[in-house]
Amino acid sequence: SAVISQKPSRDICQRGTSLTIQCQVDSQVTMMFWYRQQPGQSLTLIATANQGSEATYESGFVIDKFPISRPNLTFSTLTVSNMSPEDSSIYLCSVERGPYEQYFGPGTRLTVT
Amino acid sequence: QQPVQSPQAVILREGEDAVINCSSSKALYSVHWYRQKHGEAPVFLMILLKGGEQKGHDKISASFNEKKQQSSLYLTASQLSYSGTYFCGTEGLGTDKLIFGTGTRLQVFP
Repeated sequence: SAVISQKPSRDICQRGTSLTIQCQVDSQVTMMFWYRQQPGQSLTLIATANQGSEATYESGFVIDKFPISRPNLTFSTLTVSNMSPEDSSIYLCSVERGPYEQYFGPGTRLTVT
Repeated sequence: QQPVQSPQAVILREGEDAVINCSSSKALYSVHWYRQKHGEAPVFLMILLKGGEQKGHDKISASFNEKKQQSSLYLTASQLSYSGTYFCGTEGLGTDKLIFGTGTRLQVFP
């Protein structure tokens, strides 16, 4: 398994502002993923972040809105920019550990007012 | 395209069995199963790789039919701790990412 922490655990933000979410892993991993989960819904992949390369975004998600950094093999950040109430959601990072297994962080609950 | 799970919800008494199905429209390399309890992160249960294998963990097992692009999760003699939402995550051929299914909410009562 993997020990993954996220900061902040929750936040309430005003429309038009930005929030940066941090994800820290207890050991080095190649691939990190960012997901969004709206209340009562499934998980939607936002982007894949590999160290040393640009993040790869899924359809419907763009770098200007969700810039991602991956400065080393244990850390990544996701910024939600120019927020609107539609961005209210839980944001989770996950890592691939061992062959094919993904483990999730505890999530960041974001409310935009 | 998002995999479709069925049923959407299941209500069980302790000791009863359940089957959750996951169906994809794309060719798959692997299927992962996760359980998520309310307010918590999804927890990895098991992975099935291309090859039609079946896996088991305690009283939870799963099968993967790659030709039909389907997987099923079997929960036998359910326990209260099995309650939660179950998601399948599918990995397509040539990709390194998971696409999660629509989810199945399972409730086990005494």
